[in-house]
Amino acid sequence: SQKIEQNSEALNIQEGKTATLTCNYTNYSPAYLQWYRQDPGRGPVFLLLIRENEKEKRKERLKVTFDTTLKQSLFHITASQPADSATYLCALSNTGNQFYFGTGTSLTVIP
Amino acid sequence: DAGVIQSPRHEVTEMGQEVTLRCKPISGHDYLFWYRQTMMRGLELLIYFNNNVPIDDSGMPEDRFSAKMPNASFSTLKIQPSEPRDSAVYFCASSLGRQGQDYTFGSGTRLTVV
Repeated sequence: SQKIEQNSEALNIQEGKTATLTCNYTNYSPAYLQWYRQDPGRGPVFLLLIRENEKEKRKERLKVTFDTTLKQSLFHITASQPADSATYLCALSNTGNQFYFGTGTSLTVIP
Repeated sequence: DAGVIQSPRHEVTEMGQEVTLRCKPISGHDYLFWYRQTMMRGLELLIYFNNNVPIDDSGMPEDRFSAKMPNASFSTLKIQPSEPRDSAVYFCASSLGRQGQDYTFGSGTRLTVV
């Protein structure tokens, strides 16, 4: 079955720096990859979708890359702010309907 | 739209009791998903529906779990009998099937089985 791994450690960065989160997968060839934000006690909130034929996608301070050769996606938050502190989840699908999630990376932005 | 609405927000029940979780998807969405989230296993897809029809229930842990979608605006996830290992946060999500661009989660139901 597919295996999806995200940064195993929590990530702490200084305000204003760029946060980079990784999502690696094996035994899978997804056509779609999503990134979500999850705050404590809340459901995940969709941020970005990137397709297998897209190398990069941007939205405001967010940038996602998708390397199907390396089987990896990188998620960047530029000019990070304390309000960006949350858990970030990647999710993969080969149909665009049901998505399978990684375990998430906890990000803390230190003022 | 009020988003995906789940009830109850919290449920505490005794082992062996029946538990029913409820979900109202976003109006117009034709896909509905049930997920379970735990610290150990993360977010696991249990079952999903398309146009009220169950498409894939391979993630349902065992026969104690069942899900229904009697109409486009309502779904239930039932656990009977419940066990302590079922304790988790259960999320419902819906989408219009547009390749994952409108996947919307509810706030979840935190289930504790004692």
